[in-house]
Amino acid sequence: ETGVTQTPRHLVMGMTNKKSLKCEQHLGHNAMYWYKQSAKKPLELMFVYNFKEQTENNSVPSRFSPECPNSSHLFLHLHTLQPEDSALYLCASSQSLPSSGNTIYFGEGSWLTVV
Amino acid sequence: GQNIDQPTEMTATEGAIVQINCTYQTSGFNGLFWYQQHAGEAPTFLSYNVLDGLEEKGRFSSFLSRSKGYSYLLLKELQMKDSASYLCAVSPGSSYKLIFGSGTRLLVRP
Repeated sequence: ETGVTQTPRHLVMGMTNKKSLKCEQHLGHNAMYWYKQSAKKPLELMFVYNFKEQTENNSVPSRFSPECPNSSHLFLHLHTLQPEDSALYLCASSQSLPSSGNTIYFGEGSWLTVV
Repeated sequence: GQNIDQPTEMTATEGAIVQINCTYQTSGFNGLFWYQQHAGEAPTFLSYNVLDGLEEKGRFSSFLSRSKGYSYLLLKELQMKDSASYLCAVSPGSSYKLIFGSGTRLLVRP
């Protein structure tokens, strides 16, 4: 139990579907993240929210749409995805900037398969 | 550009010591993290180095040389449960970004 909970753990969706990934953190942190992990590739930062405000958008295609209603919840809305978007999507949180030594805590991830 | 290099795979024997190296070239440096990730699980924090030298935490130690852009993770008294991927990540500046390496998959054999 890492304190960061993601649902669903597994998702299979067609290219025309709309689905959402949900993340909740119970650590009282102020920052929340979405990372993408593909096979044999480094973890890629997608989005960062700090106090519900988006602070980073790492040139992510618009078919991925994040939403952060409060500091404890983060969503990733998915629509018209491509097969190459199949990956493990990791949610994470931290108290503050990693550059100040604040550890990022990850959730178990949501395995997404686009067919 | 930003680049972090780690070996792709390593194999070691139970009870032995293994050193996993990480070299980095980033636009700035505000600390280096090591994470452990078992297959199908979340990455979990192992260590953080921001100053040169060795940080020891039980069986795991992490070393940093900022002038050489180099770090290593040292695992002693290896156990079967240490079989996992080990991720090196650098904070390149005063931001929320972490640049990750591709990870080193460690296999511990009996």
